[in-house]
Amino acid sequence: DAKTTQPTSMDCAEGRAANLPCNHSTISGNEYVYWYRQIHSQGPQYIIHGLKNNETNEMASLIITEDRKSSTLILPHATLRDTAVYYCIVLSNTGKLIFGQGTTLQVKP
Amino acid sequence: AAGVIQSPRHLIKEKRETATLKCYPIPRHDTVYWYQQGPGQDPQFLISFYEKMQSDKGSIPDRFSAQQFSDYHSELNMSSLELGDSALYFCASSERQKNTGELFFGEGSRLTVL
Repeated sequence: DAKTTQPTSMDCAEGRAANLPCNHSTISGNEYVYWYRQIHSQGPQYIIHGLKNNETNEMASLIITEDRKSSTLILPHATLRDTAVYYCIVLSNTGKLIFGQGTTLQVKP
Repeated sequence: AAGVIQSPRHLIKEKRETATLKCYPIPRHDTVYWYQQGPGQDPQFLISFYEKMQSDKGSIPDRFSAQQFSDYHSELNMSSLELGDSALYFCASSERQKNTGELFFGEGSRLTVL
C-alpha cells in the first residue's frame, strides 16, 4: 500500500482558504487519492477523491500534481466547523482504507 | 438519508468478559468494514466483508471475530477482553459495484474495559 506523508498540524484563519498538502511518492498509476476528515470522536467523513485530474465538489477541491507524487486539499473558505483531522489516503487495490497520521487543522476566529 | 447504524453506542465491560458490537449498513450497501480507534490514535482497519464473505483482514486480534449476515448487517465479537481493547469501534459500509473508496462511517461504539 502506498504511504502518504502529511504535516502533523496546521492553522488557518476563519474565512481563508485552507491548503492541506500530502505526499504520496510511491503511488501507482491506477491508485486513487482519497481525503477524509474526522471531527473529534465522530466517524470519519469522506471529502473527495481523484486519480490524476483536479477535482472539485461542494466541500473542497483536490489538486494533484502532474507526476501524481503529491496532492493538496483546498477548503476555499474555512469555518470553525472545519476544525478536524484530515487524512490523505491512497486506496489499496483491495479497496480498504488505511488511515495514517493525518493533519490536525485548527481553524481560528 | 439513512446512515450506518451502530449499537450499542457505549459499552462498559470487565476484563476477560465478552462483547458484541452490531453494525447496520446503509440499505443496498453490500460491503462492511470494521475499524478500531484507540485514544489519540488513528483508525486501524480490522476486517471487511463483501456479500457475507470476509474480503480483507487487518490487525484484528485472534480474540475477535466478525461476520456479515444475510441481511448485510455485521457483528464484531470480542472475547477475553483486555484493557487495551478500550477504544472507539467504527463500522463503515459501501456499495462494491460503485468500486469507490467512498465509505460511509457510523458514529461508533465506545467500548470501555475496566
